[in-house]
Amino acid sequence: GAVVSQHPSWVICKSGTSVKIECRSLDFQATTMFWYRQFPKQSLMLMATSNEGSKATYEQGVEKDKFLINHASLTLSTLTVTSAHPEDSSFYICSASGTSGDRDTEAFFGQGTRLTVV
Amino acid sequence: LAKTTQPISMDSYEGQEVNITCSHNNIATNDYITWYQQFPSQGPRFIIQGYKTKVTNEVASLFIPADRKSSTLSLPRVSLSDTAVYYCLPPGQGGKLIFGQGTELSVKP
Repeated sequence: GAVVSQHPSWVICKSGTSVKIECRSLDFQATTMFWYRQFPKQSLMLMATSNEGSKATYEQGVEKDKFLINHASLTLSTLTVTSAHPEDSSFYICSASGTSGDRDTEAFFGQGTRLTVV
Repeated sequence: LAKTTQPISMDSYEGQEVNITCSHNNIATNDYITWYQQFPSQGPRFIIQGYKTKVTNEVASLFIPADRKSSTLSLPRVSLSDTAVYYCLPPGQGGKLIFGQGTELSVKP
């Protein structure tokens, strides 16, 4: 099946610094990728839709200037958490859609990035 | 967009069959249902997908009645490693998925 790789798996940063998370589709081209955030014991919350070659579309309540998304190629989207604060500590997950075999469109998820801001 | 409802949690013991039901009363005519599994600190992964009747793969079975207002994920003979959160989801527009709370399955020895 299709593979989406996310890097890093975990990161610890100091408050006020910026952190970049990469999401790559390894064996297919993804014109659209999605970024989610998940707090402990909660479900995934969609943050934004990353569109190749154009601006990302952010969900209501998500600060676009704080969570910078770049989708410069068909296989790579990046999420940069700028001026991170402890409340940004969370599990960030990306996904891309594609087809595998005879199945209908499904989402392929990265393994997630655990961000801890200290 | 179809809204889904699942039990928040379920407990089971090793070797038992587990059935998790998801309600999706207003699912669209052409929508299929996909189930995902998520382990702690990992991204969700595909388990099974179906449109109607019964679908079976090496991991699970999915039962969808004729009215398609619900679906049941069946995990045969669960083991401790099946402890995870399970989500049922209709297809999102262009792959954009909106997750519900999911069902936290706890398998005990």
